[in-house]
Amino acid sequence: DIQMTQSPSSLSASVGDRVTITCRASQSISNYLNWYQQKPGKAPKVLIYGASSLQSGVPSRFSGSGSGTDFTLTISSLQPEDFATYYCQQSYSTLVTFGQGTKVEIK
Amino acid sequence: QVQLVESGGGVVQPGTSLRLSCAASGFTFGSHGMHWVRQTPGKGLEWVAVIWYDGSNKYYADSVKGRFTISRDNSKNTLYLQMNSLRADDTAVYYCARDPKPTTIRWWFDPWGQGTLVTVSS
Repeated sequence: DIQMTQSPSSLSASVGDRVTITCRASQSISNYLNWYQQKPGKAPKVLIYGASSLQSGVPSRFSGSGSGTDFTLTISSLQPEDFATYYCQQSYSTLVTFGQGTKVEIK
Repeated sequence: QVQLVESGGGVVQPGTSLRLSCAASGFTFGSHGMHWVRQTPGKGLEWVAVIWYDGSNKYYADSVKGRFTISRDNSKNTLYLQMNSLRADDTAVYYCARDPKPTTIRWWFDPWGQGTLVTVSS
């Protein structure tokens, strides 16, 4: 299986901060990388697919980059509604796997 | 709007069976592949199974292969997960999720249902 490792596991940030979350794959996955946001008690929601494509309806402050093994999710200016847990997921292999999550908390 | 609503979760004993359902609306259900994904506090998010839009192909995670069966009824816009020989480590919130592109499988998920909790405990 392809292992997905996110860093950090959690972070504290203030409204307006630029936030970067990293995801590393255990082998090259080209650009088959997707990002999800999950709020407490809710289902995950896709933000980014194909490493850098913004899903319809997702604010443009979210962006994704990377290819191969190293990927980044950036929130350009953190908003109150962005405090949540973020997961990466590889769709390169039919044995789909997720990262362990990064919790973004209020500083 | 696109909506997925799971049902059928509950508390069951180890070794027993349970069937989950996922009612879909707001899109052409019979054109999309569908997945089950589960989530536990300890293991995080784990993909469980996928079924092609026409039911022609099904794949399973190793952890459930031989015990779980995914199926669909396109006439009823409903996805199912038959879970047999349940174990304590099957305890999770189970989500159904749509594969976003019609007639193909892209192996990502949009949208997800609200989830149904399955607890396996004696």
